[in-house]
Amino acid sequence: NAGVTQTPKFQVLKTGQSMTLQCAQDMNHEYMSWYRQDPGMGLRLIHYSVGAGITDQGEVPNGYNVSRSTTEDFPLRLLSAAPSQTSVYFCASRRRKGGTTDTQYFGPGTRLTVL
Amino acid sequence: AQTVTQSQPEMSVQEAETVTLSCTYDTSESDYYLFWYKQPPSRQMILVIRQEAYKQQNATENRFSVNFQKAAKSFSLKISDSQLGDAAMYFCAYAEDSSYKLIFGSGTRLLVRP
Repeated sequence: NAGVTQTPKFQVLKTGQSMTLQCAQDMNHEYMSWYRQDPGMGLRLIHYSVGAGITDQGEVPNGYNVSRSTTEDFPLRLLSAAPSQTSVYFCASRRRKGGTTDTQYFGPGTRLTVL
Repeated sequence: AQTVTQSQPEMSVQEAETVTLSCTYDTSESDYYLFWYKQPPSRQMILVIRQEAYKQQNATENRFSVNFQKAAKSFSLKISDSQLGDAAMYFCAYAEDSSYKLIFGSGTRLLVRP
């Protein structure tokens, strides 16, 4: 059971480039979400999904796209990278029913730098 | 809107001593959850302890315990017998009962002196 995995661990982009951050979980969790962490701040929600085919915006969605075609995967796309998107990105998942439904499990994070 | 405030940017504790990290929150909801997450230099977010708002009893996990004051909207973390491995950023977080969204405080950096 690998939990929540994210790739890559580090990425450097130039302004205007696009890329996809990958996130996968093998716990059959219905809820998945993306957060960003900026220096001196806690994590802020970018987008989330409550199940395959269903996504919605969080607190800071501008400049990002998501899709959820399977329960396991929840990729985050940067459409045209900007220096303001330099951050550490965390993917998280949570069970919807049964067990400890309130607890989110986090991936190891991706450090993204946009030059 | 719900907010979470951690007023201590940095705290320091001697190894084997006890330290308390503060957290206050603002909400009009009655059912919610509160969490403390630890983030070591590896960046991994590690759940330390969780508290359900409907439970009056304070949660404990080994050397970690909370002081949950619902009326005061306060949720502090006490670390007993501090160890070098406890050095990390600690984040307080809030979630509504049915919500998938975690709201985080800005974090407290804990230093442990040998």
